[in-house]
Amino acid sequence: DAGITQSPRYKITETGRQVTLMCHQTWSHSYMFWYRQDLGHGLRLIYYSAAADITDKGEVPDGYVVSRSKTENFPLTLESATRSQTSVYFCASSPWDGRAKNIQYFGAGTRLSVL
Amino acid sequence: QKEVEQNSGPLSVPEGAIASLNCTYSDRGSQSFFWYRQYSGKSPELIMFIYSNGDKEDGRFTAQLNKASQYVSLLIRDSQPSDSATYLCAGAPYGNNRLAFGKGNQVVVIP
Repeated sequence: DAGITQSPRYKITETGRQVTLMCHQTWSHSYMFWYRQDLGHGLRLIYYSAAADITDKGEVPDGYVVSRSKTENFPLTLESATRSQTSVYFCASSPWDGRAKNIQYFGAGTRLSVL
Repeated sequence: QKEVEQNSGPLSVPEGAIASLNCTYSDRGSQSFFWYRQYSGKSPELIMFIYSNGDKEDGRFTAQLNKASQYVSLLIRDSQPSDSATYLCAGAPYGNNRLAFGKGNQVVVIP
């Protein structure tokens, strides 16, 4: 299907385990983003990427790793999950230019619970 | 710090009334602004964007931008129960595609 898809939709893991959340978009958008959303904090940017092999930190990058070897994929890895990383994670993408520049389109989200 | 603030608490409006949401921003360099709607348990979806001073209308939604006063507003006319959601304001102050989001305002439309 076209658009932006996240997997898994739900994940339960244990403290200390490595977890990878996947994000795939079919629009060939240049920019991709990872957010977490928690009550009282709104959307907080974890990492973003302007193009393949170009990534940069957002507001809350500690404990997370990203990579972008292909334009369409932007996986987010929690190297050693902690309870504080229990959250809803959203991936988003946006085109580089044109009238829709800056508009971000969101995936359905991944609800992660770290026990 | 490039902030976008939405300070109002939950907003309850009767069905058919106008819901008014406000958002202020700190960076004068911001050129474009966005309103997203987020239903409970769902992802944010874009409903309006505005680049120029003044009003922009799309159906029952009107976005207003005042760059001199650094605020953006969203009006929802003829509010419907289906408009009950959290509305996120966002600006683009970074010079790239990164957005600054407000924390959101919850709207409850009472039938």
